[in-house]
Amino acid sequence: SQQGEEDPQALSIQEGENATMNCSYKTSINNLQWYRQNSGRGLVHLILIRSNEREKHSGRLRVTLDTSKKSSSLLITASRAADTASYFCATVDRGSTLGRLYFGRGTQLTVWP
Amino acid sequence: DTAVSQTPKYLVTQMGNDKSIKCEQNLGHDTMYWYKQDSKKFLKIMFSYNNKELIINETVPNRFSPKSPDKAHLNLHINSLELGDSAVYFCASSQDAGRARETQYFGPGTRLLVL
Repeated sequence: SQQGEEDPQALSIQEGENATMNCSYKTSINNLQWYRQNSGRGLVHLILIRSNEREKHSGRLRVTLDTSKKSSSLLITASRAADTASYFCATVDRGSTLGRLYFGRGTQLTVWP
Repeated sequence: DTAVSQTPKYLVTQMGNDKSIKCEQNLGHDTMYWYKQDSKKFLKIMFSYNNKELIINETVPNRFSPKSPDKAHLNLHINSLELGDSAVYFCASSQDAGRARETQYFGPGTRLLVL
């Protein structure tokens, strides 16, 4: 299967703490994307990191990519209760012309006030 | 304004029925997708259309038939519904599938329950 795998499956932290989620994948990729899904809602794109990039920031989000280990991490700093959601990584294969995204199963993050 | 909209939001129906889900995007995108998310939140692509042309057709029962009347709309018709079809179906769009860096914009989902 080309689907990614997130780790941990569930994460529970207090407001203000940092949350780190990891993603592993199996193929050579063009890019890796992180999405957030609030309960009962659709997915929202957070950040995209290309295969030739190692780190990217967006507000309180920091994403790293290690193509040699086929892994990525998403760090949310100073978490808030509103960050409670499921977080998915998704990959686009190298050479893809179809835009096919392969999703992992997600990490359920719960941030307690 | 809603970028990607789906109707209905909830759909409860009996086994054996035929139902349709509609999707519309007002982003001017060329590519649209249908995904299925199961009870364990596993999200898998089903179909993709680029400018009304089918470009991705995953291993999906032929009871599922997508239709794209124009590039802003992608509908999903399901014949002879089965219990295992119960899931959340998401529509998504992107500017151009051929540009692999494109992110996808998702609709709110249609929660289908087959009894």
